[in-house]
Amino acid sequence: DGGITQSPKYLFRKEGQNVTLSCEQNLNHDAMYWYRQDPGQGLRLIYYSQIVNDFQKGDIAEGYSVSREKKESFPLTVTSAQKNPTAFYLCATTGQLEKLFFGSGTQLSVL
Amino acid sequence: GDSVTQMEGPVTLSEEAFLTINCTYTATGYPSLFWYVQYPGEGLQLLLKATKADDKGSNKGFEATYRKETTSFHLEKGSVQVSDSAVYFCALSDRQGGSEKLVFGKGTKLTVNP
Repeated sequence: DGGITQSPKYLFRKEGQNVTLSCEQNLNHDAMYWYRQDPGQGLRLIYYSQIVNDFQKGDIAEGYSVSREKKESFPLTVTSAQKNPTAFYLCATTGQLEKLFFGSGTQLSVL
Repeated sequence: GDSVTQMEGPVTLSEEAFLTINCTYTATGYPSLFWYVQYPGEGLQLLLKATKADDKGSNKGFEATYRKETTSFHLEKGSVQVSDSAVYFCALSDRQGGSEKLVFGKGTKLTVNP
């Protein structure tokens, strides 16, 4: 089946640790996005990539990093500089104009 | 920058009640407008969209009309079901600097009781 796969579903981070969230797609889409969802805050854009080897900061990029070495993959690293990482993280892609396809999300919590 | 404001939740209705979730936007230019739905523990799914003024998007009994004069895109359904319980997000497309991304409202949680 074509789709977007995020892993893991649940992730725990120790203080001072970097963790990486995976996002893989087989939809052959060019653009990929990472959003953070907090209760009552809606979705906020962290990073996005319109094409391989290129990405741009979104509204809340501080404390996060990404790479886009392959079209299918857009991993997000939550670094130790992100002091409040507990949230639900959503990856999305778009092929045709403006319609986003979302993964099922990763819930990140701090130990 | 562009922004979306939707009515605060949560909204609790009885089955077969009429639903309205208000959404207004601020944008330069002429964005496309969307409603996404998120069921518990899942990502978001596109519910409906409208790309220009006076367009009506519809899907699964939900409707929303792009009103340029009031900068609104209110979501309506004539008779809700328990299975409609979810969080609903209004969004617009934001084209800046040659890139395109969606700007989301904060979401409105709907609970439908039997």
